[in-house]
Amino acid sequence: EVQLVESGGGLVQPGGSLRLSCAASGFTFTTYWMGWVRQAPGKGLEWVANIKTDGSDKYYVDSVKGRFTISRDNAKNSLYLQMNSLRAEDTAVYYCARDGGRNFDCWGQGTLVTVSS
Amino acid sequence: EIVLTQSPATLSLSPGERATLSCRASQSISTHLAWYQQKPGQPPRLLIYDASNRATGVPARFSGSGSGTDFTLTISSLEPEDFAVYYCQQRSNWPPNFGQGTKLEIK
Repeated sequence: EVQLVESGGGLVQPGGSLRLSCAASGFTFTTYWMGWVRQAPGKGLEWVANIKTDGSDKYYVDSVKGRFTISRDNAKNSLYLQMNSLRAEDTAVYYCARDGGRNFDCWGQGTLVTVSS
Repeated sequence: EIVLTQSPATLSLSPGERATLSCRASQSISTHLAWYQQKPGQPPRLLIYDASNRATGVPARFSGSGSGTDFTLTISSLEPEDFAVYYCQQRSNWPPNFGQGTKLEIK
């Protein structure tokens, strides 16, 4: 069974940092692009970042460029999102998702990030 | 950047009725469109990919159609578990944007 389990969310002050993790199991992690999608409270879905199978290509939404870094450790079947210079508008549930090619075909349960003083 | 516009914002129907949800792209995206269903407190679930292909385990009452700029998700006969929010997403260009969602609610 494919599983994606996020961790690392929590309350952080504006300007602070947080590192999200996603543990993948049940599929060959090294053969899939992976991504992060977020959802602010009561709002819609927003794609945040994607990373290629070997980590050589990375893409970000404009609003997080220069502040967030997506990475992966294929030996540990894990995906990460390093978030720096956090703002109130980054408050959201962050989902780890498997990129099936032209869609996100598997999603984790999400981890809540709250940026507030 | 491609913008996806979903309509209506809210659709009120009764179980057994047919639902038709629309997604319009600001420029042609061929058939590079996916549909997702999201229930409260749950992550999204992939329903349709490449505009018209049902994902694994998705009931046959869900169907997708369209190409270019206009797409439709149809639920032929609503079941109680179908009332949720539906999002479309394009994967033609970066960034892979989502539409703003259509809430399907019980009338």
